[in-house]
Amino acid sequence: AQSVTQLGSHVSVSEGALVLLRCNYSSSVPPYLFWYVQYPNQGLQLLLKYTSAATLVKGINGFEAEFKKSETSFHLTKPSAHMSDAAEYFCAVSVGRHNFGNEKLTFGTGTRLTIIP
Amino acid sequence: ETGVTQTPRHLVMGMTNKKSLKCEQHLGHNAMYWYKQSAKKPLELMFVYSLEERVENNSVPSRFSPECPNSSHLFLHLHTLQPEDSALYLCASSHDGTAYNEQFFGPGTRLTVL
Repeated sequence: AQSVTQLGSHVSVSEGALVLLRCNYSSSVPPYLFWYVQYPNQGLQLLLKYTSAATLVKGINGFEAEFKKSETSFHLTKPSAHMSDAAEYFCAVSVGRHNFGNEKLTFGTGTRLTIIP
Repeated sequence: ETGVTQTPRHLVMGMTNKKSLKCEQHLGHNAMYWYKQSAKKPLELMFVYSLEERVENNSVPSRFSPECPNSSHLFLHLHTLQPEDSALYLCASSHDGTAYNEQFFGPGTRLTVL
């Protein structure tokens, strides 16, 4: 079964600074990888996804992530943080079709991003 | 309405009540999902409906009962819940059940069980 580890449940960065949210995955087959964002009192919104095309994936709101197979990582970055980026971010991995017993779509525990003015 | 909608947004119920959560997607998708989001825990996938096929997680207690009358609507019927069932319940949909299709989430129902 696949798994996702998000290092750091809380990350704080200054406005204008680099945002780096870490995600490592474990999967026995090539994975599909996703980053979602959740603003307060809302559901999850897709930021970007990796589906075995380009390893550098660009998403919405200036975010991007790079798939590194050798490091089993899919870290999320943004060059310059904005106050509006404050939210919780989830990394997720998926393989194959949904089939309980294998838990095909797995989320990490999330990283809460705080932006310091 | 656009996207995925959920009603009610907030629900408080006693342990002996019966209530239902409703989800509706306006995206023309064929797969719908229920998730449970508890503090400090990963999202837990509870149920999936894909192309009318229900995939059931045996670890979900029977006090949670899903219903999918058509591809646009999904219900979660609640009965005799426990306080530990208090959580945010999220509904999602996707084009189909294949792994590379992203899921679109509703805003959730915040459930409190007294």
